[in-house]
Formats: sequence, structure tokens, C-alpha cells
Amino acid sequence: QVQLVGSGGGVVQPGRSLRLSCAASGFTFSNYGMHWVRQAPGKGLEWVAVIWYDGSNKYYADSVKGRFTVSRDNSKNTLYLQMNSLRAEDTAVYYCARDVGIGVSDPDVWGQGTLVTVSS
Amino acid sequence: DVVLTQSPLSLPVTLGQPASISCRSSQSLVYSDGNTYLNWFQQRPGQSPRRLIYKVSNRDSGVPDRFSGSGSGTDFTLKISRVEAEDVGVYYCMQGTHWPPTFGQGTKVEIK
Repeated sequence: QVQLVGSGGGVVQPGRSLRLSCAASGFTFSNYGMHWVRQAPGKGLEWVAVIWYDGSNKYYADSVKGRFTVSRDNSKNTLYLQMNSLRAEDTAVYYCARDVGIGVSDPDVWGQGTLVTVSS
Repeated sequence: DVVLTQSPLSLPVTLGQPASISCRSSQSLVYSDGNTYLNWFQQRPGQSPRRLIYKVSNRDSGVPDRFSGSGSGTDFTLKISRVEAEDVGVYYCMQGTHWPPTFGQGTKVEIK
């Protein structure tokens, strides 16, 4: 079955960096775009970034643009989110999600999420 | 960015009774291909979001038929015909027609 397993979260000081990973299985990873979506504690869902199936295009929310970088390794069926210059407001559970849209955003299956806490 | 406004934000429901959640968009969600990319997600306590409905009214595999979606243009509704205990959680609408994708604030469904 389709499965997405996130990892790499933890506690990090403001201004430092962290890299999240999302391991995909149960589908042909290289055929699908992938999203990162986050959820601050007790809050709603906020879209963070998307990467095309082949990595050719990437788009970011204004709140993370210039600090976060999404990438993928299709040979390893893995999605990444490199997070630099972290701020307290980046504290959230980060979910990866598969996209089934063409020219639109249509995330269907989501991973279990990994918690990032930015605190001194 | 497209703003999605959900109402109500809190919905206490009696078991076996119907429930309805509204999602209104700040602009039309009809895409150039004629489809409307408005999805509904369920997030049970402590779990990841799960897509229930895609393109306004299509149920995902395994979703009980007590869940239904309707609407067009800028006004959309998620209905639960008879609420069960497992339906407790937060429900989000999400639009994928316009960049960036955006979510509603969420509606918390609880049992009275």
C-alpha cells in the first residue's frame, strides 16, 4: 500500500538548520509531485512547498521562501526538506504528501508527520 | 492568495444526527480544465490528515457513504448524514486550483 514515512525532526535552536526526509513506498515515486505541509501546535494546516515529479520545478510559501529548499532523490524514493535559519514560528509537525494533480495541487496520501521544535 | 472560510468552526453533534460544514472561497475554484479542485480532509485526534473528498464531490476509496460533498464556484459543503463516534476530529477544506494551495481554518466536530 502507499506509504510515506517522515523523519528528521527534533529540537533545534533558532538560526540553525535541520533536514527532513520522507521515504515513499508502494507507488512509483518518480511519477508524482510531492508536497510539504506543516501544522503548528494546536493550529491549522499550512502548505509549505511542492516539487514536481522530476524535480524540475519547486514552489514555496512566502513564509519559508529563501530559507527552505525542497529536493528529491528518485533513485532512493525519498523527499527532502532542508530548513535553514529556523525561527520559533517554524515549530510545527511537518507532513509530506503525494500530489496527484496535473497543473493543480491535489495531495491525496499523507505521511505520519515529524515534529520540529525551534527553541533556545 | 485564495482565502477559504469555513463555518462553523466548532460543531457539537448528537450521535446519529446529520452534520454540515460550509467552505466559502474568496474566488472561483473552477480551473481551466473545467474541474473544481476543492478537497475535504479529516484529521482525527493525533493522526495525519486523510483526504475524504476530491474535486468537490468524489469520495476517496474506503470513505463511508455517509460523507458527501457538494457545491460549485465559491460555495461548498461537506455533509455527514449520520454522525458516528469515529467521525470526531477536525475537517479542513483545501483548494488546489490557484497557487499557492490554501486550507480553511478547520471545523472541529465533537459529540454532544
